[in-house]
Amino acid sequence: AQSVSQHNHHVILSEAASLELGCNYSYGGTVNLFWYVQYPGQHLQLLLKYFSGDPLVKGIKGFEAEFIKSKFSFNLRKPSVQWSDTAEYFCAVKGAGNNRKLIWGLGTSLAVNP
Amino acid sequence: SQTIHQWPATLVQPVGSPLSLECTVEGTSNPNLYWYRQAAGRGLQLLFYSVGIGQISSEVPQNLSASRPQDRQFILSSKKLLLSDSGFYLCAWSGASGREPYEQYFGPGTRLTVT
Repeated sequence: AQSVSQHNHHVILSEAASLELGCNYSYGGTVNLFWYVQYPGQHLQLLLKYFSGDPLVKGIKGFEAEFIKSKFSFNLRKPSVQWSDTAEYFCAVKGAGNNRKLIWGLGTSLAVNP
Repeated sequence: SQTIHQWPATLVQPVGSPLSLECTVEGTSNPNLYWYRQAAGRGLQLLFYSVGIGQISSEVPQNLSASRPQDRQFILSSKKLLLSDSGFYLCAWSGASGREPYEQYFGPGTRLTVT
């Protein structure tokens, strides 16, 4: 069965620190990959997505992610975090089939201290 | 532009009472619709998804059911709530197979507390 693993459950950083959140998936075929963010009190929103082409994708608010097929990974990065990046981050994968169902990681809670 | 609505935002219900949560989407037609439950530290669990009116797929056996009486309306129901039904329920939509958008867009959610 397909699965998504987010290695870091809780991350605490100071402002201006660099961020990398890990995401690995288990599926050998063609995948579509997503990172979603949930700010406190707000609903889930799409941060960035990968379907094909350049494996380095850029999203909103200075985030980027790199798809490394050989490592089954799609790690999220930001060079310098801000207090406003405090949120829950979810990685999701769409694998085989024509349906649009996503397989979700358990999420990473990021706290950025001012 | 498309928008997705969920109501109510919060709900407190006694054990054994019925449940009806509603989700509607505006600005698109024939969307795929999804119901999720989100629990702290446990990510998102897909409960139901629908590719069209009256077409419901259940992902996990449970005390809940879903219906899609209209193209852009998705309802989550229960005849008798259990304590374990407490949680945060999210509705989402995406394009149908072969249609954009491929990603899912989420509503604001309903916080359900069963007492």
